Amino acid sequence: ETAVFQTPNYHVTQVGNEVSFNCKQTLGHDTMYWYKQDSKKLLKIMFSYNNKQLIVNETVPRRFSPQSSDKAHLNLRIKSVEPEDSAVYLCASSYTGGRNTEVFFGKGTRLTVV
Amino acid sequence: AQKVTQTQTSISVMEKTTVTMDCVYETQDSSYFLFWYKQTASGEIVFLIRQDSYKKENATVGHYSLNFQKPKSSIGLIITATQIEDSAVYFCAMRETGFASALTFGSGTKVIVLP
Repeated sequence: ETAVFQTPNYHVTQVGNEVSFNCKQTLGHDTMYWYKQDSKKLLKIMFSYNNKQLIVNETVPRRFSPQSSDKAHLNLRIKSVEPEDSAVYLCASSYTGGRNTEVFFGKGTRLTVV
Repeated sequence: AQKVTQTQTSISVMEKTTVTMDCVYETQDSSYFLFWYKQTASGEIVFLIRQDSYKKENATVGHYSLNFQKPKSSIGLIITATQIEDSAVYFCAMRETGFASALTFGSGTKVIVLP
């Protein structure tokens, strides 16, 4: 059973629009992530977020920004989408340290920019 | 910087046989964690098995096992007695021990299990 929940499953939008994707985890983890999976299935980290500290992959364009209200939620906003933003966005969560280091993923949000 | 490389893009095997997938990694950390994940046709990414760098014993979970060769920076996945439902894309990943460190993934190996 999935314990990382993402909405929506799919989203189609036009170039220049703003979109926002939601993510919630019920695992009690203290760290959340956003990954982008492109058409070649490559998975790239975009953001890591822990205790209000944000770690950003330097290759992520500034139009992307994470938004968190608490450690169980991490949303992703894209200010003005571009065609190359079409991809699957995967939210994930984990503990920061200790023995439980596995990262658990949501089912993804597929974004299509037309 | 860390890097994970999977050179096999696709493997086809007959059902009930064994499949082996390769993965090599690069890291400057002395302590790190290695993982294998499976992405199903629906797109779901599922954790399979993990190897801690400081452990010499190869991890085993069900019909998944690892071939960890630390001097070669290699972590292979072995699936025995394959089933049709093992058809998927398998990703190797690494996580260093830094604060809120994320997984770095390889490019994936597609496994097709034939009846």
